[in-house]
Amino acid sequence: DGGITQSPKYLFRKEGQNVTLSCEQNLNHDAMYWYRQDPGQGLRLIYYSQIVNDFQKGDIAEGYSVSREKKESFPLTVTSAQKNPTAFYLCASSPRDFGGNTIYFGEGSWLTVV
Amino acid sequence: EDQVTQSPEALRLQEGESSSLNCSYTVSGLRGLFWYRQDPGKGPEFLFTLYSAGEEKEKERLKATLTKKESFLHITAPKPEDSATYLCAVQAGGNAGKSTFGDGTTLTVKP
Repeated sequence: DGGITQSPKYLFRKEGQNVTLSCEQNLNHDAMYWYRQDPGQGLRLIYYSQIVNDFQKGDIAEGYSVSREKKESFPLTVTSAQKNPTAFYLCASSPRDFGGNTIYFGEGSWLTVV
Repeated sequence: EDQVTQSPEALRLQEGESSSLNCSYTVSGLRGLFWYRQDPGKGPEFLFTLYSAGEEKEKERLKATLTKKESFLHITAPKPEDSATYLCAVQAGGNAGKSTFGDGTTLTVKP
């Protein structure tokens, strides 16, 4: 079945540690996105990529990094510079366009700082 | 800057009691308005895309409508399984597919 797979579902990070969230899609979509969701709030864009080997910062990119070496993969690294990383992280994808295409989401990953 | 405001924040209904959720937006050059349903601890599930004022779409007990300033998600005779958070998002022309999301409306339907 086509879809977006995020792993792990739950991740715990120690202070000063970098962690990487995986996102894979088999929808043949060009564009991929990472969003952060805090309790009771909407989604905020961290990074997005329209094509392989290219990505742009979203609204809250500080403390995060990404890579896009393959069309189907868009991993997110939460670095130690991100001071408040505990949140629900959502990966998404869509056909490449200049607006109007539906964005589809994965099931999300919970990150907790311990 | 694109803005999306959803109201109310929370809505409690009795089973069968119809109501509407509101999504007000300001955007330069709307390319699409999207409704999603999100269950606790899950990713948002796509419901509808609306592209121009006057457009309407339906799916089971849900109907989405669009004007130049707002969108409504009408829920007719809701059931407990309709309980979820409903998210609204907009995309503007020239933003390369970036979406701006509202904070959502959490709907609870009591049996």
